[in-house]
Amino acid sequence: DVVLTQSPLSLPVTPGQPASISCRSSQSLVHSDGNTYLHWFQQRPGQSPRRLIYKVSNRDSGVPDRFSGSGSGTDFTLKISRVEAEDVGVYYCMQGTHWPPYTFGGGTKVEIK
Amino acid sequence: EVQLGESGGGLVQPGGSLRLSCAASGFTFGSFWMMWVRQAPGKGLEWVALINQDGSEKYYVDSVKGRFTISRDNAQNSVYLQMNSLRAEDTAVYYCVRGQWGANWGQGTLVTVSS
Repeated sequence: DVVLTQSPLSLPVTPGQPASISCRSSQSLVHSDGNTYLHWFQQRPGQSPRRLIYKVSNRDSGVPDRFSGSGSGTDFTLKISRVEAEDVGVYYCMQGTHWPPYTFGGGTKVEIK
Repeated sequence: EVQLGESGGGLVQPGGSLRLSCAASGFTFGSFWMMWVRQAPGKGLEWVALINQDGSEKYYVDSVKGRFTISRDNAQNSVYLQMNSLRAEDTAVYYCVRGQWGANWGQGTLVTVSS
């Protein structure tokens, strides 16, 4: 199974400052069809997860443009250009290239300093 | 607007059974793969099961194979998770999710396995 390792586990951020979360895969996430099925989710406190980014870098509708995804192969990054209070929560990466099973990273908790 | 509404959770004794349901609306249900993802209290996300558009393909995480069954009724715009031989480690919030890429999630239903 593909193991996704996220870092850091916890990320205290000052409002207005940038934040970056890493997701590293135990194997390349490039599918034989040429796509990379690596997605990012946000889970605010007490809420269900919500997808932010699909296939590495495609932002979902309604997601602020301060969120961006990048990466390739085994190394991926979610960046928040200027953190706002509403961004507090846990962020997960998920891979859908080598399935079953689909696998998630362990999560990164973003909190305001 | 896509809506997913789970139901059927509750308290069950070890070895017992539960059937979760998910009612979908706001999209062409029969055109999408559907899956169940769970989250144990205070823990991360774990994929549980996946079903294709017509129900002919089903996939499970190893820890639930032989105990859980995913199914769907496209006429009722619903997907189900039959859970048998429940264990304490199955305690979690179970989310119904649209698509293989996790496009939309329901609010979840809590399953507690305890004596």
